[in-house]
Amino acid sequence: AQSVTQLDSHVSVSEGTPVLLRCNYSSSYSPSLFWYVQHPNKGLQLLLKYTSAATLVKGINGFEAEFKKSETSFHLTKPSAHMSDAAEYFCVVSTDSWGKLQFGAGTQVVVTP
Amino acid sequence: DTAVSQTPKYLVTQMGNDKSIKCEQNLGHDTMYWYKQDSKKFLKIMFSYNNKELIINETVPNRFSPKSPDKAHLNLHINSLELGDSAVYFCASSQDHGTGNTIYFGEGSWLTVV
Repeated sequence: AQSVTQLDSHVSVSEGTPVLLRCNYSSSYSPSLFWYVQHPNKGLQLLLKYTSAATLVKGINGFEAEFKKSETSFHLTKPSAHMSDAAEYFCVVSTDSWGKLQFGAGTQVVVTP
Repeated sequence: DTAVSQTPKYLVTQMGNDKSIKCEQNLGHDTMYWYKQDSKKFLKIMFSYNNKELIINETVPNRFSPKSPDKAHLNLHINSLELGDSAVYFCASSQDHGTGNTIYFGEGSWLTVV
């Protein structure tokens, strides 16, 4: 069985400060892990994905995530938040050969000036 | 040049009605999906088709029926709509099924049942 836990439902940061979104997963097999972002009233956009290559994954818009097998974590970071980063972020795991994704509950990011 | 497009984007309808949401992808992908996002923003898969064949069918009421006329299209038909069907429905596609494939999502269809 696979599951995803996003440890923070809500994160508030000041513009220009670092962003950390925490995600833990459980999986019986080697997982593929993703971070998606959803802006208000928009669809889901892929930020980055891990598929057993490099453990530090760089994504779009300055985001990156590190896969830590020993901690079963896949935290998302960005060194300097921008106002446009305000959105809902989803950590996602896939271990299913049919492509089924298991979504976390989401973390809402608020960026203040 | 939209990769995954779905229509309509917004739909308000009365209980008991039947409605359809259409989805098309121009990425040449073999696999398409329908996901449902509830009022708490939780996303859950409903169906998946690979080359027009159903491969994932989660516990979804029989009132929901997907149809894939070809591998570029996956439509969702909902009969006898209920208040609890109000949600955002996302169509998605991937090159094929299997872990590691990037899944591309459409913009979503906001369904409100009144």
